[in-house]
Amino acid sequence: DQQVKQNSPSLSVQEGRISILNCDYTNSMFDYFLWYKKYPAEGPTFLISISSIKDKNEDGRFTVFLNKSAKHLSLHIVPSQPGDSAVYFCAAIKTGGYNKLIFGAGTRLAVHP
Amino acid sequence: GAGVSQTPSNKVTEKGKYVELRCDPISGHTALYWYRQSLGQGPEFLIYFQGTGAADDSGLPNDRFFAVRPEGSVSTLKIQRTERGDSAVYLCASSVGPPPDTQYFGPGTRLTVL
Repeated sequence: DQQVKQNSPSLSVQEGRISILNCDYTNSMFDYFLWYKKYPAEGPTFLISISSIKDKNEDGRFTVFLNKSAKHLSLHIVPSQPGDSAVYFCAAIKTGGYNKLIFGAGTRLAVHP
Repeated sequence: GAGVSQTPSNKVTEKGKYVELRCDPISGHTALYWYRQSLGQGPEFLIYFQGTGAADDSGLPNDRFFAVRPEGSVSTLKIQRTERGDSAVYLCASSVGPPPDTQYFGPGTRLTVL
């Protein structure tokens, strides 16, 4: 029973273009969402987060959009750079005493020149 | 400053053996988490410590898995009678306070059970 789903295992984007990574969730109790980036042989690194009271959060080249009615969030990277090539994990949590961070399976992003 | 460190980075063991995996969290972080990541999957929650106590161990798959954090800093994940299905990367993370404070991950320990 996957509560957080990343349906695209991989994405290839040209340098300078926009990368859009998608994530769907099934548990309507989730109220906080995060994106992590992972390079090979390293642990995941926090990228950006969004609370369910917002529908957008921006940090430099990274923007996360949340559509609560569709139970969908997306991460936009503009412009994409070769150093962005990594696996991106979407994660969700219900705050207020519920401790588990639930991760999706990840999307491998390749940014090519 | 130093991040989360995990030792060993790789561990190969035989089926039925006992293993210990160590995690050194970021200094001052009160919360510590263990996750397991299988090939092609995202990290899967195992256990969460707040201070010395296990606040949530609902992710431990069975009683062969046990974790401790006796002084509220270093944690050890212990696996008894290892099985081939235990092969995975075991990730440790720490955060300043309880969820949803940002979790900072270590590089993981790759466990292979032959």
